[in-house]
Amino acid sequence: AQRVTQPEKLLSVFKGAPVELKCNYSYSGSPELFWYVQYSRQRLQLLLRHISRESIKGFTADLNKGETSFHLKKPFAQEEDSAMYYCALSSNYGQNFVFGPGTRLSVLP
Amino acid sequence: GAVVSQHPSWVICKSGTSVKIECRSLDFQATTMFWYRQFPKQSLMLMATSNEGSKATYEQGVEKDKFLINHASLTLSTLTVTSAHPEDSSFYICSASRTATEAFFGQGTRLTVV
Repeated sequence: AQRVTQPEKLLSVFKGAPVELKCNYSYSGSPELFWYVQYSRQRLQLLLRHISRESIKGFTADLNKGETSFHLKKPFAQEEDSAMYYCALSSNYGQNFVFGPGTRLSVLP
Repeated sequence: GAVVSQHPSWVICKSGTSVKIECRSLDFQATTMFWYRQFPKQSLMLMATSNEGSKATYEQGVEKDKFLINHASLTLSTLTVTSAHPEDSSFYICSASRTATEAFFGQGTRLTVV
């Protein structure tokens, strides 16, 4: 069965501190992993996906198949990073997803 | 980026009535759209896949007779919650893919059944 877990419901860090949002998944095949972000009162939007190996807004995520993890990292958090972050798994090229429960990131001034 | 729009953004209906939610891809055609449901403080759960010109595919546990999906054109899918009850109150979100590799989400529709 496909499943995505995010152990932290809420993560608070101070501005300028490093941040890591954890994500683990279970899937029998070769999954595609994504991070979606939802800012206050806005729609869900793609932050990054593992196949593109890019850095968006300073965030990076590396797929670790051995640990079945796809943790999201940023070396220096900014207040505008405060949002809800969802890790998601797709088995059909990013068309539909299994979402994790989400982690609310709060960056304090 | 591509835009997916839902209407209405919020709706209140009486128990026992039906309510229709529209999902439109404004600047691209989508042969497939997806409907999700999000309960308060919970994650999005895929309800069904809406296929243009054919029947929707429902996820396990989702009542197809209660959640009617119609995808009559390449830019419009509708979700009708029939005989709504308070437990159907939720946030409903649709998504559509412009290419095979990226999905765009609507802003969501908050349904409250009283």
